[in-house]
Amino acid sequence: GAVVSQHPSWVICKSGTSVKIECRSLDFQATTMFWYRQFPKQSLMLMATSNEGSKATYEQGVEKDKFLINHASLTLSTLTVTSAHPEDSSFYICSARAGLAGVNPYQETQYFGPGTRLLVL
Amino acid sequence: AQSVAQPEDQVNVAEGNPLTVKCTYSVSGNPYLFWYVQYPNRGLQFLLKYITGDNLVKGSYGFEAEFNKSQTSFHLKKPSALVSDSALYFCALNSGGYQKVTFGTGTKLQVIP
Repeated sequence: GAVVSQHPSWVICKSGTSVKIECRSLDFQATTMFWYRQFPKQSLMLMATSNEGSKATYEQGVEKDKFLINHASLTLSTLTVTSAHPEDSSFYICSARAGLAGVNPYQETQYFGPGTRLLVL
Repeated sequence: AQSVAQPEDQVNVAEGNPLTVKCTYSVSGNPYLFWYVQYPNRGLQFLLKYITGDNLVKGSYGFEAEFNKSQTSFHLKKPSALVSDSALYFCALNSGGYQKVTFGTGTKLQVIP
């Protein structure tokens, strides 16, 4: 159980184009999803937190107009990198948390997707 | 504020030997601690977590971790390392009142055949 998928796993695009990455919780409903960015040999950098049906909360320094996040259902969140540039090339990882009733959200496990490697030429 | 430290960038261990990956933390409230493993070009896989109760937590793939409140540590251990355990390991911390999980910088485990 607790499987999270991401699509696509790899994407190469030209500078100036937009790229959409999907994150799905396959066997549970995720009230909260997170988007991270990981640079080579570095830890995860949280970009934003999204709750189903509401606007995402972006971390300081993350451009909300550039990284559009939509969490339209309890099993799907999307990250759109708009007008991508080479510096946006990175490994993007999503995670999902179920938000179980009666459970402290800070105690809940986040389950991660396999990641999406984005290369902008 | 809360923080997590993984003092070793890399740990090398011979196959069959016990392994330890270190993690220390700092938090003002109750800590909720997690270990994840990441294989190359993959997302993070959950190994185990400590919320409350027994200080020794057992997880996936034979891993366990010991919560030590006095030393503010949560070291990951395995009695006998496998070559397939070679990966990047992340310690993570959450606590009541803090909105997001804090990840350590990761420790690369290399198990030598």
